[in-house]
Amino acid sequence: QSALTQPASVSGSPGQSITISCTGTSSDVDGYNYVSWYQQHPGKAPKLVIYDVSSRPSGVSNRFSGSKSGNAASLTISGLQAEDEADYYCSSYTSTSTLVFGGGTKLTVL
Amino acid sequence: EVQLLESGGGLVQPGGSLRLSCAASGFTFSSNAMTWVRQAPGKGLEWVSSISSDDITYNADSVKGRFTISRDNSKNTLYLQMNSLRAEDTAVYYCGRGRLQVGFWGQGTLVTVSS
Repeated sequence: QSALTQPASVSGSPGQSITISCTGTSSDVDGYNYVSWYQQHPGKAPKLVIYDVSSRPSGVSNRFSGSKSGNAASLTISGLQAEDEADYYCSSYTSTSTLVFGGGTKLTVL
Repeated sequence: EVQLLESGGGLVQPGGSLRLSCAASGFTFSSNAMTWVRQAPGKGLEWVSSISSDDITYNADSVKGRFTISRDNSKNTLYLQMNSLRAEDTAVYYCGRGRLQVGFWGQGTLVTVSS
């Protein structure tokens, strides 16, 4: 199972919106609505910020939103804040009953 | 409060074995699928193994035949038995709640495979 494809880095200024893409295949992203996104600050454990493509766990800011079209999923962060600077990973359930992660995207808040 | 606490990491020689544990609290452990994910130094996340609430196991090709995931519901504990360890298994190992998605993560335990 190949990793999902994410851009290595994105950046934005405070207050702006950014979108991180996550591209998979018909065997993962396009086949299931089990796409999730994780935020990881340096030296910390990952934290779930989006599940089931577009649902937010309790306690996660509504500035985080997710969507999917075909084999491509996206995470959008609006009203960018300094604390959003982190690595972001997408993940999808797959047709072989496994999980696959994206390579990760480093978000820099300018 | 949901808590997951991994232990058992350390330095091991190539070809050696190690057993990781993950103590769970704050939720009904027996009703939840659980997962191990690892992260090599400076690298991304890699799914390792998952186990359903009824003990069905799933493993990444990279660890099949070497790693075994298991659970003890009486102790609210998840395990990962790692045999025939290789240098490329060096990583922080995280346990997480869930199988289709990982809803909560522990803080991780570092496994270093080196001579």
